[in-house]
Order: sequence, then structure tokens, then C-alpha cells
Amino acid sequence: GENVEQHPSTLSVQEGDSAVIKCTYSDSASNYFPWYKQELGKRPQLIIDIRSNVGEKKDQRIAVTLNKTAKHFSLHITETQPEDSAVYFCAASFGGTSYGKLTFGQGTILTVHP
Amino acid sequence: SQTIHQWPATLVQPVGSPLSLECTVEGTSNPNLYWYRQAAGRGLQLLFYSVGIGQISSEVPQNLSASRPQDRQFILSSKKLLLSDSGFYLCAWSSQGEQFFGPGTRLTVL
Repeated sequence: GENVEQHPSTLSVQEGDSAVIKCTYSDSASNYFPWYKQELGKRPQLIIDIRSNVGEKKDQRIAVTLNKTAKHFSLHITETQPEDSAVYFCAASFGGTSYGKLTFGQGTILTVHP
Repeated sequence: SQTIHQWPATLVQPVGSPLSLECTVEGTSNPNLYWYRQAAGRGLQLLFYSVGIGQISSEVPQNLSASRPQDRQFILSSKKLLLSDSGFYLCAWSSQGEQFFGPGTRLTVL
């Protein structure tokens, strides 16, 4: 089955700096890669996703890049703000016979210091 | 638009007691439904998923079970809770790949 590795497990940045979180996946058939943000005590929220037919996607201060050859994808947050502090999860899935099951990374605790 | 509900929001139960958590989805038909558990400070563990009424797949062996009596209803149950069942239980639905989570139930087993 699919395996997703996420790094780093914790990330501390100063407000205004950029933050990058990286994930690698094992199943070359995976074709959908979402990122979730989970604030303390809340549900994970989908913040951005990318499908295997594109290499990069941006939404304001966040972007995701995908390297299918190397089987890794990354989340980039620019101009970080304290409200970006949360746990971020990457995931991968194959939209064929796996019924949309997501395999999640272990999570990254991002702390943005004012 | 689609919404997903879970109840109860919090639950404190003694060891050995039964459990029933409910999840309902509105605004979509024939969604894939999922139950996850998240231990404190940990990642998301997929417990069960369902692609239709009465169709349940289990991801990990445990003392929990799931049922889908209606298209948009998903229930997580246990006959006898263990201390290790404590955690944050999240229901999710998906359509076209994107997966969305419910507000969760925080379960404490004492």
C-alpha cells in the first residue's frame, strides 16, 4: 500500500518568513495530493491540493509543488503570520480502485513567532 | 452546499461501556464515508470506510465496528470500550477525490 513520509515534524519560523514542508510517497499510481491544516482542537481543513497532471498550484500565500519523478510534493507558505500556526498534514491517494482513501503523513507542527 | 455533522461533540465513558457515534452528511448523494481516530498529538488513523449502504471496509483490527444504514449516515460502535479507545474521532466524506472532515467527537475513556 501507499506510504507517505512528512518532514520536518516541527518547524519554527519568524513572522514574515517562508515555511516549507516536504512529503514523499511510495506508490507511483497516486494521483491526488491534498494538504490539510488542523488548529488545536479543530477538524483538519483542506487548504490546497494538487493532481498529478500539474506541477504547481498557488492560492495567495500558499503553494504546492509536485515532482512525480522523485515522488515528492511540498507545501510552501510565504509571508507567514501567527495565525498560520497549526499542524499541517499532507496526504496521497489514487482515485482508481482505492475508493478515495487518503494516506496521511505524520504531520508538521508549524509555529510562527510574532 | 455540503455539510457534515457529528454527535456527540464530547463524550466521557467508563471502560467496558458501549459506544455509538453518529455522522450524517447533507447536500450530497452516495458519498464515500470514512471514520478516523486521532490520538492526542498524533496523526490520522483510518478506521473504516464505506462506498455505499451496508458496505463497510475495516482498515485495522480493533474492538470497534461501523455501519451505514442509510446513504448519508455512518455509525461507529463498540460493545466494550478500552482505555486505548480514547481519542478524537473524525468522520469524513469524499466526492471526486476531495475529502472533508466533520467537527469530530472527543472521546475520553476512564
